[in-house]
Amino acid sequence: SQTIHQWPATLVQPVGSPLSLECTVEGTSNPNLYWYRQAAGRGLQLLFYSVGIGQISSEVPQNLSASRPQDRQFILSSKKLLLSDSGFYLCAWSVGGGAGGYTFGSGTRLTVV
Amino acid sequence: DAKTTQPPSMDCAEGRAANLPCNHSTISGNEYVYWYRQIHSQGPQYIIHGLKNNETNEMASLIITEDRKSSTLILPHATLRDTAVYYCIVDSGAGSYQLTFGKGTKLSVIP
Repeated sequence: SQTIHQWPATLVQPVGSPLSLECTVEGTSNPNLYWYRQAAGRGLQLLFYSVGIGQISSEVPQNLSASRPQDRQFILSSKKLLLSDSGFYLCAWSVGGGAGGYTFGSGTRLTVV
Repeated sequence: DAKTTQPPSMDCAEGRAANLPCNHSTISGNEYVYWYRQIHSQGPQYIIHGLKNNETNEMASLIITEDRKSSTLILPHATLRDTAVYYCIVDSGAGSYQLTFGKGTKLSVIP
């Protein structure tokens, strides 16, 4: 069966520090991978998606970047965190396009202090 | 631009049916209606989807009006664990790599 792993579950980082969040998927090949962010009291915002190794599409200009070094690994990074980067970060995967087959990870709650 | 409109919040008594409405008056002929839910501090979870016909699975039922401009998600016997934000999403299901979430409906199941 397919599973998605996302870590860490919670993270507190000082302003200006770097960030690396990792997401891995098991049990499927060539998935589409996604990073979403949910700010406090707000909806989910798509940040990046990837349809293959090394292929990254950015939806929102920001202080973050994403990379896909392996087929089932998706990394969200920042060189210098801002207070506004605080939020709940969710990784997701799907096979093919369309809204019916998205599976989300358990999320990382990031607090920038 | 929001494709769907949902009430911001609803209450439901435990054990009763929860009926969550969604308006999607600009839906296109090739677009499906999907429902997800997000329990607090967890990732969203797929519930059900449909095109024209009503659908039922182990979690819920989806009723789509004949003109497809609105739909209702039905949780037949709501439990406290069904307390969550429920999202109604319209998507073509073909070549779309963006799952766009609105603000959803916060369903509170009351003992």
